[in-house]
Amino acid sequence: QSALTQPRSVSGSPGQSVTMSCIGTSSDVGGYKYVSWYQQHPGKAPKLMIYDVSKRPSGVPDRFSGSKSGNTASLTISGLQAEDEADYYCCSYAGSYVVFGGGTKLTVL
Amino acid sequence: EVQLVESGGGVVRPGGSLRLSCAASGFTFDDYGMSWVRQAPGKGLEWVSGINWNGGSTGYADSVKGRFTISRDNAKNSLYLQMNSLRAEDTALYHCARDHYGDYKRGAFDIWGQGTMVTVSS
Repeated sequence: QSALTQPRSVSGSPGQSVTMSCIGTSSDVGGYKYVSWYQQHPGKAPKLMIYDVSKRPSGVPDRFSGSKSGNTASLTISGLQAEDEADYYCCSYAGSYVVFGGGTKLTVL
Repeated sequence: EVQLVESGGGVVRPGGSLRLSCAASGFTFDDYGMSWVRQAPGKGLEWVSGINWNGGSTGYADSVKGRFTISRDNAKNSLYLQMNSLRAEDTALYHCARDHYGDYKRGAFDIWGQGTMVTVSS
C-alpha cells in the first residue's frame, strides 16, 4: 500500500491557472475511475472538491476540475483566488483499500 | 444539519487500547459507507479503515491490519474503531468520514468530522 505521489508544492498568481499531479500505478489511479481530491486549510477538516475523477460536489466552484490519463490524475484550478491557498490531497480506490497522496501545498502569490 | 462528531481519543501507553466513536446526525446513516482517516501532526492524510453501509464489507490499511477493528451500529447512527496494541506511530488526529456512496472504497468522502486526537506515549 504505497502512497500516491504528489509534488510538495505548486504556486500561482491570482487569476492564473495551476495544475497539480497525482501519480499512482495501474493498481490504483490507472485501474479505476475512482480518484478524488481534497482541499484542507490549516486546522480544518478536509473538504471534498472532486470525486470519480472529474465530478464536482454541489457547492464546489467550476474553477476546480479533475482529469486522469493513465496512472496520473490531475487537479486544475482556474482563475486562482487567495482563498484557494491550502493543502490538496488526491485519493484513489486501490482494490480493497483506499490510498491518499502525500499532499501538495498550493501557494497563491 | 449533517454532522459527524468523534469522541474517545486520549493519551494511552504503547501496547494499550482505545475505542473511538463517531456519532452521525442529519442524514440516513445506513445509506452510506464510512471510513476512519487519520492525520499525524504536521503530516498528510492516511486512510485507516472503511466499512460499507450494512457492515458486511470492511477494509484496513496494512499499517493497522490485525490491530484495529471497524464496526457500526446503524440503530444508533454510530461508527466505531477499536484500536489495540497501539504504537507511537498511531499518534494522530482521527477523523470519521462519510462516503458519497454506500461502499467505502471509492474514497469520495463528502462529510468529515473535526476529529479526535489519539496520543500514544509512555
